[in-house]
Amino acid sequence: AIRMTQSPSSLSASIGDRVTITCRASQGLSSYLAWYQQKPGKAPKLLIYAASTLQSGVPSRFSGSGSGTDFTLTINCLQSEDFATYYCQQYYSYPLTFGPGTKVDV
Amino acid sequence: EVQLVESGGGLVQPGGSLRLSCAASAFTVSTNYMTWVRQAPGKGLEWVSVIYSGGSTYYADSVKGRFTISRDSSKNTLYLEMNSLRVEDTAVYYCARGRIGGGNILDYWGQGTLVTVSS
Repeated sequence: AIRMTQSPSSLSASIGDRVTITCRASQGLSSYLAWYQQKPGKAPKLLIYAASTLQSGVPSRFSGSGSGTDFTLTINCLQSEDFATYYCQQYYSYPLTFGPGTKVDV
Repeated sequence: EVQLVESGGGLVQPGGSLRLSCAASAFTVSTNYMTWVRQAPGKGLEWVSVIYSGGSTYYADSVKGRFTISRDSSKNTLYLEMNSLRVEDTAVYYCARGRIGGGNILDYWGQGTLVTVSS
């Protein structure tokens, strides 16, 4: 199975900050990587797929980059509604695997 | 508007069985990849199973041989039959739709249903 790691595991940020989260895969994924946002008690929400394609309806302050084994999610000008946990997911091969998550809080 | 509504969770003893349902609206379950993902209390996301539009199925090793994914086109509903349940199967179970053109990109999720395995 492909192992996904994320860093940091948590971070503290303020409104207006730029936040960067890193996701690393144990083997190459090409661009078969997605990012999800999850708020407490809620289902995950798709933000980005194919490493850098913004899902319809997602604000443009979210962006993704990377390919192969190293990927980045960037949130520009953090808003109050962005405080949440973020997960990366590889869909290159089965079993599908998720990163352990990065919690973004105040 | 696409909606997924899970049901069927609850408290079950170790070794018991449960069937989860996921009712879909505004799209056809049988024309999309459909996936189950679970989340143990306070933990991260774990992929469980997928069913292709063509009917092929795949499972995580942790549930293989115990869980069965299926669908009923007439009811536009996805199912997860869970047998020989273990304490470590305790989790919120989400169903999710695979994005058209990218089946394992999960673009819509249900609200989840809690399964608790305990004596």
